[in-house]
Amino acid sequence: EVQLVESGGGLVQPGGSLRLSCAASGFTFSSYAMTWVRQAPEKGLEWVSAISGSGGNTYYADSVKGRFTISRDNSKNTVYLQMNSLRAEDAAVYYCGSGGSGTYYNWGQGTLVTVSS
Amino acid sequence: DIVMTQTPLSSPVTLGQPASISCRSSQSLVHSDGNTYLSWLQQRPGQPLRLLIYKISNRFSGVPDRFSGSGAGTDFTLKISRVEAEDVGVYYCMQATQFPRTFGQGTKVEIK
Repeated sequence: EVQLVESGGGLVQPGGSLRLSCAASGFTFSSYAMTWVRQAPEKGLEWVSAISGSGGNTYYADSVKGRFTISRDNSKNTVYLQMNSLRAEDAAVYYCGSGGSGTYYNWGQGTLVTVSS
Repeated sequence: DIVMTQTPLSSPVTLGQPASISCRSSQSLVHSDGNTYLSWLQQRPGQPLRLLIYKISNRFSGVPDRFSGSGAGTDFTLKISRVEAEDVGVYYCMQATQFPRTFGQGTKVEIK
């Protein structure tokens, strides 16, 4: 059974940093691209970032480019999202998803990020 | 960026009746490899996101056959043939033909 479990969310002050993790199991992790999407309270889904199976290709939404960094450790079956210079508008539930070839098949339960002083 | 526009944004449906959601993209979703990377996702209260349909019309593993997808180019549709209580939630179309990936605004399906 495929499982994706996000962690690392919490309360952070504006300008602060957080690192989100997504631990994967139940599939050959290194063969699949991974993505992060977020959902602000009472809002729709917003794509944030993606990384190829090897980690060699990364992609970002303009809203986070230069502040967020996606990475993966295939030996630990884990993908990360390093979030720096956090703003109020980054507050959201962050979901990781796994997939490839233009489809994200499985998703985690999400981790909540709150940005407030 | 490709803009995804869903209609309606809210769909009250009687149990056992059909429901239909439209998704239109601002440009063709046909990839250079010939595939069209249009997916439909379901978000039920308290549940993780769930892939229902990928590449326009392919049902994902475990998805009931009352869900079907159709369309081409820039116009796509998700249909639920007979709505059940467990189908209540928000449905999103998503394009993965190009970066940045983009979602529709979401359509809330609720029971009348």
